Amino acid sequence: DAKTTQPNSMESNEEEPVHLPCNHSTISGTDYIHWYRQLPSQGPEYVIHGLTSNVNNRMASLAIAEDRKSSTLILHRATLRDAAVYYCILSGTYKYIFGTGTRLKVLA
Amino acid sequence: GAVVSQHPSRVICKSGTSVKIECRSLDFQATTMFWYRQFPKQSLMLMATSNEGSKATYEQGVEKDKFLINHASLTLSTLTVTSAHPEDSSFYICSADMTGGITDTQYFGPGTRLTVL
Repeated sequence: DAKTTQPNSMESNEEEPVHLPCNHSTISGTDYIHWYRQLPSQGPEYVIHGLTSNVNNRMASLAIAEDRKSSTLILHRATLRDAAVYYCILSGTYKYIFGTGTRLKVLA
Repeated sequence: GAVVSQHPSRVICKSGTSVKIECRSLDFQATTMFWYRQFPKQSLMLMATSNEGSKATYEQGVEKDKFLINHASLTLSTLTVTSAHPEDSSFYICSADMTGGITDTQYFGPGTRLTVL
C-alpha cells in the first residue's frame, strides 16, 4: 500500500496559486518526500523533493510540516500546462510506491 | 540534466511474439533502474528493480520468466516481454536512480506503449 494519501482531484483557476496536500503519517526519519507530476501518455516528471526544510525551485515550492507527517506542494501561479496528476512519494527503502495521486484541473 | 530515454516509444506486436524495450540514462550513471507498468486510468505499479551486473528483483505477482530484465551497463537496462499476449498491453515506464545520489530521486523515461494484437 502507498505510504501517502492525497485528494483524488483538485481544481484551480489559471494564474492563481495551488496548494496540493499530502499526508504521510508513517514517514520515517530517513524518508525523503518527492513530488512528481504526470501528463497523459508520458512518464512522471520530477518536480521537487525535501527532507525536513521547505524547498523552492523554479517549478514549485515544498512546505513540510514540522512533524513531517504532511507536506504541501505549492504552484505559485497555475497555468494550463500544470494540469496533470501529481504524486507525492516517500523514498527511503529505495523503491517508490505510487498512490493514486491528485488530478489537478486548471480552469482558464 | 538527469535525462532518461526509452526506445521504442510505442510498439504493436502479434500475440506470441517477444518485445524488447530499452531504457537509457543519457547523462548520468545508474546502478539501479526500475520498471513500472501503468494500465489506463491507474497509477504506476512497480514490476522490478534492476541492478547493474546482477539479477533483477521482481515484485510479487510479476513473472520473471515472462518479463526478462537485463542491466548490462550503468546506462542501459532492457525489459523483454516474452510471448506477449493482449493482457500485456500497457504503458511501460522505466526510471533510473543516480549512482552516488543520497536522496533516492528517480528520473523517469517517457514510457513505451505496448499493444499486443
